[in-house]
Amino acid sequence: DTAVSQTPKYLVTQMGNDKSIKCEQNLGHDTMYWYKQDSKKFLKIMFSYNNKELIINETVPNRFSPKSPDKAHLNLHINSLELGDSAVYFCASSPPPGHAVEQYFGPGTRLTVT
Amino acid sequence: GDSVTQMEGPVTLSEEAFLTINCTYTATGYPSLFWYVQYPGEGLQLLLKATKADDKGSNKGFEATYRKETTSFHLEKGSVQVSDSAVYFCALSFSGGGADGLTFGKGTHLIIQP
Repeated sequence: DTAVSQTPKYLVTQMGNDKSIKCEQNLGHDTMYWYKQDSKKFLKIMFSYNNKELIINETVPNRFSPKSPDKAHLNLHINSLELGDSAVYFCASSPPPGHAVEQYFGPGTRLTVT
Repeated sequence: GDSVTQMEGPVTLSEEAFLTINCTYTATGYPSLFWYVQYPGEGLQLLLKATKADDKGSNKGFEATYRKETTSFHLEKGSVQVSDSAVYFCALSFSGGGADGLTFGKGTHLIIQP
């Protein structure tokens, strides 16, 4: 059983398009995240959702919008894609604070904007 | 703000060599500390963690000790294998790894030659 899954694994699209990346976790966790990994492998938090409420938004352009239909899903929608959006996007989840502290990551979605 | 600094790579070693990857952090307060590993083409996996000063995390022959006095969490392994080739990320978090998200170092690419 896959704990945190993402679709698609690869996404190639043109500038100006709108695209979505889906994330699902079957761990029963309350908190989910989106991270961006750039071409130099640097990872940066984008969003955090706790019980369907946005907790942090680390100065991400408003072209990026997380949507959480329920506790097990956190999708990432990107409008008007730009070349600089090309990266690998990772979804993650974690139990409530005070319990096990680690985050569980999905396999990543490699987005290429041409 | 909080930050993590780790040695730049790539680090190239021969099989059975001793490994040290340095990691230091800057944070207000006492965060939880983590090492994550990313194998080629995969997502991040938790390698080990420590939640308070003097804790030692260990897994798969890797160890790291939370040193408050030097704000460090260096990763060590006594005898590396070719299969250890990967990118290693040091990270910190508050709130027990909850909704704050992880702050990552830039990653260290480790290459083990047979």
